[in-house]
Amino acid sequence: ETGVTQTPRHLVMGMTNKKSLKCEQHLGHNAMYWYKQSAKKPLELMFVYSLEERVENNSVPSRFSPECPNSSHLFLHLHTLQPEDSALYLCASSQAFGENTGELFFGEGSRLTVL
Amino acid sequence: TQLLEQSPQFLSIQEGENLTVYCNSSSVFSSLQWYRQEPGEGPVLLVTVVTGGEVKKLKRLTFQFGDARKDSSLHITAAQPGDTGLYLCAMRGATNKLIFGTGTLLAVQP
Repeated sequence: ETGVTQTPRHLVMGMTNKKSLKCEQHLGHNAMYWYKQSAKKPLELMFVYSLEERVENNSVPSRFSPECPNSSHLFLHLHTLQPEDSALYLCASSQAFGENTGELFFGEGSRLTVL
Repeated sequence: TQLLEQSPQFLSIQEGENLTVYCNSSSVFSSLQWYRQEPGEGPVLLVTVVTGGEVKKLKRLTFQFGDARKDSSLHITAAQPGDTGLYLCAMRGATNKLIFGTGTLLAVQP
């Protein structure tokens, strides 16, 4: 296993479904992130966990619920989503949170389509 | 709100051509990174620059950090199809949050 892995790679769900995105990092990092990537928009930071504690929550609707059970795993629980939530959801990790020159290591993303 | 504008938004060129893409901020930043995202993949870090006026080279890629620490450019010499992808700049400002730019989508035709 290398780097940051995300599952599933593709997800189609109805507005009333409940699903979860999973992220796992094998780099020994202490910070993990969820980003949303939509067409023609900059990458939007959603949540940051540092040492399993949530340190950033950028006004994300409550229909998105993150969970970080340990420093290697990060989940994004999805409930009653809207079609405008369709996007690529990227997980990333870094050695620590907030380092000036810290590098983010991204997973391949989970492509979500909400019908 | 700190914003990072990248230009051009889209660029389609022939193999062997040179190109420059730009990243401009309304604020001074403490560091700037360039990432490349290939189709179906997540972004991958290319370089980090921290000093005003700094120039870094990575094979055929040349990165420059503006003297005023509000802008950056990426120049690619003799582009190849493998350079195709979305180029993202990202800056850290006063809050130390990493803010991403709007991206430049590059297509290099063989």
